[in-house]
Amino acid sequence: NAGVTQTPKFQVLKTGQSMTLQCAQDMNHEYMSWYRQDPGMGLRLIHYSVGAGITDQGEVPNGYNVSRSTTEDFPLRLLSAAPSQTSVYFCASRLDSSGNTIYFGEGSWLTVV
Amino acid sequence: AQKITQTQPGMFVQEKEAVTLDCTYDTSDQSYGLFWYKQPSSGEMIFLIYQGSYDEQNATEGRYSLNFQKARKSANLVISASQLGDSAMYFCAMRVWNNDMRFGAGTRLTVKP
Repeated sequence: NAGVTQTPKFQVLKTGQSMTLQCAQDMNHEYMSWYRQDPGMGLRLIHYSVGAGITDQGEVPNGYNVSRSTTEDFPLRLLSAAPSQTSVYFCASRLDSSGNTIYFGEGSWLTVV
Repeated sequence: AQKITQTQPGMFVQEKEAVTLDCTYDTSDQSYGLFWYKQPSSGEMIFLIYQGSYDEQNATEGRYSLNFQKARKSANLVISASQLGDSAMYFCAMRVWNNDMRFGAGTRLTVKP
C-alpha cells in the first residue's frame, strides 16, 4: 500500500519557471489537499479537492493552480515561480471531508532562486 | 477566524519523564476536531491523536493523551514516559466541519538521555 506519493522530493527552480508537483494516492480517498510549510510556521493550506472535478482555494492559493481529473491524482502547478514560493510542500488525503485520519506524503522540498 | 496557537517554540524533557505540549485554539464553530501530528527530522507528518469537540472523554493513544479543556479552548498533548525517538516537531491542528486543517507553528521537543 503506497499511501500518498509525492514527486519530486527535491527541486530547484529559477524565478519565472513553471513546474508541477505530482501527488497520487491509492486509497480511493475523495479528499485531497496541498499545504506549504515555511520555517517556524505550521502547514498552510494552498488548495483542496473534495472529489474528482472539484477544487477550491485554501488559505494561500496565489501563484498556484490545481486540477483533479481523477480520484487518484491531485497535481499542484506553480505558474511562474517566485523566491517566496521556496518552501516544503505536502500533499494529504483523507477518505472524505469528515474523515479524521489524514495521510500525508513525505514532502517536496522546493527552492526558487 | 480559526486559529491555532502553540506558545512553546521548544521544549526539553528528560527521558522517561512526561511532558505537556500546549495548544490553544479559536473558533466560533460548535463542531470541530483537534489533532496532533509529529514531524521527525525526516519530514513526514505522523498522525498521533484526535479529539472531537463533542467527545466527553479525553482521547488517549498509547503514551499520548490529549488534555481537552473546551471552556478554555485548549487541547494540550501529554506524552508519558518520553523516549529518545520522541524528539521531533509537534503540530497541533484544528479541523472545522467541511473545512480543511489549520495548523499551529509547532513545538520542537528534545528528549535528553
